[in-house]
Amino acid sequence: EAGVTQFPSHSVIEKGQTVTLRCDPISGHDNLYWYRRVMGKEIKFLLHFVKESKQDESGMPNNRFLAERTGGTYSTLKVQPAELEDSGVYFCASSQDRWEDEQYFGPGTRLTVT
Amino acid sequence: AQKVTQAQTEISVVEKEDVTLDCVYETRDTTYYLFWYKQPPSGELVFLIRRNSFDEQNEISGRYSWNFQKSTSSFNFTITASQVVDSAVYFCALSAPYNTDKLIFGTGTRLQVFP
Repeated sequence: EAGVTQFPSHSVIEKGQTVTLRCDPISGHDNLYWYRRVMGKEIKFLLHFVKESKQDESGMPNNRFLAERTGGTYSTLKVQPAELEDSGVYFCASSQDRWEDEQYFGPGTRLTVT
Repeated sequence: AQKVTQAQTEISVVEKEDVTLDCVYETRDTTYYLFWYKQPPSGELVFLIRRNSFDEQNEISGRYSWNFQKSTSSFNFTITASQVVDSAVYFCALSAPYNTDKLIFGTGTRLQVFP
């Protein structure tokens, strides 16, 4: 069974540019989560999808971040325009059952904004 | 508010030494889960264990063991006879299901095991 995959693995962009991160969850997992780790700090929750619906987006930092999950399959996280403080590692995770299943994480996308 | 504290930023040991990674949590929920994840150099977060708040039994899995103590709000992780392959960043996390299933992570502890 394939794990959670994320693309790209690393992205370097200039301040003001747009970047789109992609996450493919484990097949059959309805729950998809985005997290971010900035500069050695804790990993912080961004948002949670159940199928194509946003269940909880309380962690989204501001309206420069837009997350979508087309047809309840893969998800994209767009940052527009990117700022220096957006640099970090963006993790995606998926789970089958919200309450009974652990979250399986992808390898992350390292975003560097210069 | 929920919070996870991993006071040890970095630990270095020599192979075959035992090492304990500390984790202290805060929550007002009576039902919660505690987790440990491992992040090897390849970058992905690897699930190690989930513990329910109602189950305080210690758990052992090979060289890994976990000590959950509600009285001190701690969920410590011990690696016995450490190996070079154990070198990684280890994260402790907390979730309070039936409220929100998002994970609250600590800042991680980097473990370096030298040969």
